[in-house]
Amino acid sequence: KAGVTQTPRYLIKTRGQQVTLSCSPISGHRSVSWYQQTPGQGLQFLFEYFSETQRNKGNFPGRFSGRQFSNSRSEMNVSTLELGDSALYLCASSLAGGAGLPQETQYFGPGTRLLVL
Amino acid sequence: AQTVTQSQPEMSVQEAETVTLSCTYDTSENNYYLFWYKQPPSRQMILVIRQEAYKQQNATENRFSVNFQKAAKSFSLKISDSQLGDTAMYFCASTTSGTYKYIFGTGTRLKVLA
Repeated sequence: KAGVTQTPRYLIKTRGQQVTLSCSPISGHRSVSWYQQTPGQGLQFLFEYFSETQRNKGNFPGRFSGRQFSNSRSEMNVSTLELGDSALYLCASSLAGGAGLPQETQYFGPGTRLLVL
Repeated sequence: AQTVTQSQPEMSVQEAETVTLSCTYDTSENNYYLFWYKQPPSRQMILVIRQEAYKQQNATENRFSVNFQKAAKSFSLKISDSQLGDTAMYFCASTTSGTYKYIFGTGTRLKVLA
């Protein structure tokens, strides 16, 4: 079974631009979570989607948004990019996103490295 | 609010030795879960081990085991017989049932020396 895929793997943008990142979960997984990883802050939760609905979101400004499609693929968008948005953006998928079942494990993609100049 | 703290930014261990990575957390919830994730230099994050808070028995996965001290809110990872392939960044994480949100620590970079 193919793993979580993220595209593109690398991006260079300039301040003020916007960017869209894509995540394809493992087949059958309906929950997709997004994280921002930076050396100073570690992994910070952005949002989680299940069946096209956002169930939770982290403490990020409204410039960060996401959506999920009916095939469970997800995109996140960052508008009006700032230098501080430079980071590795990780996507993770799981069957249903609930932590109650032992098999409910998050599988991570390789990430998209975004550099804002 | 949930918080996860890893106080050891970097550690090193000799091959075949044992190393323990520390993690403390804070939560007011009762139904929560704790995890250790490994992120090798290739960047693909993988689950190492998980612990349900309601279980008193410490989780074990081959060479990896945890020391879960619920009252102290401590969740350390012990790696036995360290191998070069264990070189990675290790993240401690927690989530509470129904929140669909994982909180990660800042990570501990572990280097296994030959």
